[in-house]
Formats: sequence, structure tokens, C-alpha cells
Amino acid sequence: DAGVIQSPRHEVTEMGQEVTLRCKPISGHNSLFWYRQTMMRGLELLIYFNNNVPIDDSGMPEDRFSAKMPNASFSTLKIQPSEPRDSAVYFCASSRWTTGEGKNIQYFGAGTRLSVL
Amino acid sequence: DAKTTQPTSMDCAEGRAANLPCNHSTISGNEYVYWYRQIHSQGPQYIIHGLKNNETNEMASLIITEDRKSSTLILPHATLRDTAVYYCIDKTSYDKVIFGPGTSLSVIP
Repeated sequence: DAGVIQSPRHEVTEMGQEVTLRCKPISGHNSLFWYRQTMMRGLELLIYFNNNVPIDDSGMPEDRFSAKMPNASFSTLKIQPSEPRDSAVYFCASSRWTTGEGKNIQYFGAGTRLSVL
Repeated sequence: DAKTTQPTSMDCAEGRAANLPCNHSTISGNEYVYWYRQIHSQGPQYIIHGLKNNETNEMASLIITEDRKSSTLILPHATLRDTAVYYCIDKTSYDKVIFGPGTSLSVIP
């Protein structure tokens, strides 16, 4: 398997523009996670999906952020409008949750480095 | 928030064993302990996990105390490529994994 695939790897945009980050999870995985990493705040969980349904979005910083998972093989994280403080590395991860066992081994993509000027 | 505590940084000589401790005193009986690492500019990488018993795989060994309040990740023969931030995590709720600041391990030639 190719692992979790994120695109683009780098994104530079101007303040106020819409940004869309994409993620393709590992085939067969039923949970998907979006994280943001900055020097100041470390690695933060933004939102996660189980079986394409958003379960917990309490980490989404504000209404400018939205995430969708229209099917099991694709998810997007959208920022509209973007601001300089959104500059960070955004990671997507997926896992296969085993019913009754509670194991959650997450596999991460290479990340998208976002710079908002 | 993360319920685990780890030293901020550690050094290890190349070829020696690296022992990374973690305290997870509030872990519940059915929560796993996970270890991940993040090499600079890469995504976090899963290393190993355990519940009660000690575990070993091709990357590392995990020693969990009998009371499950702490664990130690062991890299038996550290190499320069093992320089990374190592995260110890306990699952807080359904499928939700919270990363703390981790331990920055420097392997020194």
C-alpha cells in the first residue's frame, strides 16, 4: 500500500484566499484524523471521522475551518478565508479500529506545509 | 489534554541502548499505551503499543510496569537515524489519541 497520501505537499497563499488540503487514507482503514502542527502548540488533533462520519470536531479552531469525508478514500480540510496564523504543517492520519479491542494505530501522511502570507 | 509525562530531551551514544521513560499514572485498565516518533520534517511514525505485557517488534521493545502507571521504550542499538521526537500516548477516548510534547532524543556519534 502507498500509505496515507496528502496533497499538496506545500501550499503558499495570500491572506483571505481559500485553501483546500486533501487526504487519501490507507485502503481498508475506517478512521481518519486531521492534525495541525506548529512550534508553539505542537501536534493538535483538529477533527476525526469514523466510517466517513465526523465524530469529534472540538479541535477545529474556528468556523473558517471545515472538513469533509465524502467517501472512504478521500477527505478534505478547507480553510476559508485563510489567515497568517493558519500557517502550519497539516497532517492526515488513518487507522483501522478493531471492534472490541480499542486499538488505534494511526498511520500518518507526509503532511502539507501551509504558508499564509 | 495529554495525560502522559515525558522528559523534554535525552541524549544517547550511537550503538548504545536508548531508554525513554513515560509516566501515565491516570491510565485506565483497558487503555493501550502507544509510542510514536517524528523525525524532522516527516509525519509521526507508529513504533509499538502495549496493554499489560511487555512487547517487542523489529523497531523497539516496550516495558510496562505491573501497575501500568509507567512504561519505557527501548531502542536496543541506537543509530543516528533514530534522532527524533518520541511520543508516549494513552488513548483518552474512542479512537482519540492526544499527542503531548514528547521527548527529543539526540543520538550522538
